[in-house]
Amino acid sequence: AQSVTQPDIHITVSEGASLELRCNYSYGATPYLFWYVQSPGQGLQLLLKYFSGDTLVQGIKGFEAEFKRSQSSFNLRKPSVHWSDAAEYFCAVGADGGSQGNLIFGKGTKLSVKP
Amino acid sequence: ETGVTQSPTHLIKTRGQQVTLRCSSQSGHNTVSWYQQALGQGPQFIFQYYREEENGRGNFPPRFSGLQFPNYSSELNVNALELDDSALYLCASSLIGTGLAFFGQGTRLTVV
Repeated sequence: AQSVTQPDIHITVSEGASLELRCNYSYGATPYLFWYVQSPGQGLQLLLKYFSGDTLVQGIKGFEAEFKRSQSSFNLRKPSVHWSDAAEYFCAVGADGGSQGNLIFGKGTKLSVKP
Repeated sequence: ETGVTQSPTHLIKTRGQQVTLRCSSQSGHNTVSWYQQALGQGPQFIFQYYREEENGRGNFPPRFSGLQFPNYSSELNVNALELDDSALYLCASSLIGTGLAFFGQGTRLTVV
């Protein structure tokens, strides 16, 4: 069965520091992969996606992610974190190949930013 | 702004009651999916509607049901509410085959 693991429940970084959020997935073929961000009490905003091709994908707000098939990982990175990046981040894989638009989410990583 | 709107934003219901949540999909989209997000958890897929029919369902009991209308808007109905149904309910619209889902702001349901 497909699954997504986000090993870090909560991460705190200093403003201006670099960030890496980890995501591991379980799927037999090349999956559709996503990162979403959620502010408190809000819906989910798509940061970036990977369907195929170049394994380093760029997203909004200066985020990027790298797909590593050998490690079944899709880690999210940002070189310099801003206080406004404090939120919860969810990694997701497209169910059953991904084209249907159904998603399987990890449990999320809460990001806190200290001044 | 994704163009996906949900109503109401918040509501409180009593255990055993029934509730209907509504979602208007983004223009050009033909598929609506519903998710339940319990506090501190990731969203869980409830079901998807495409061409007014259920097109996939997660591990949720039959008291969770839905509808999709000709204009692609959708309803989520939950009967016999239980305390554990308290959650943020998210609607996502997509164009079938693209794999891209855009979410609304959610409806916060509290069951007391």
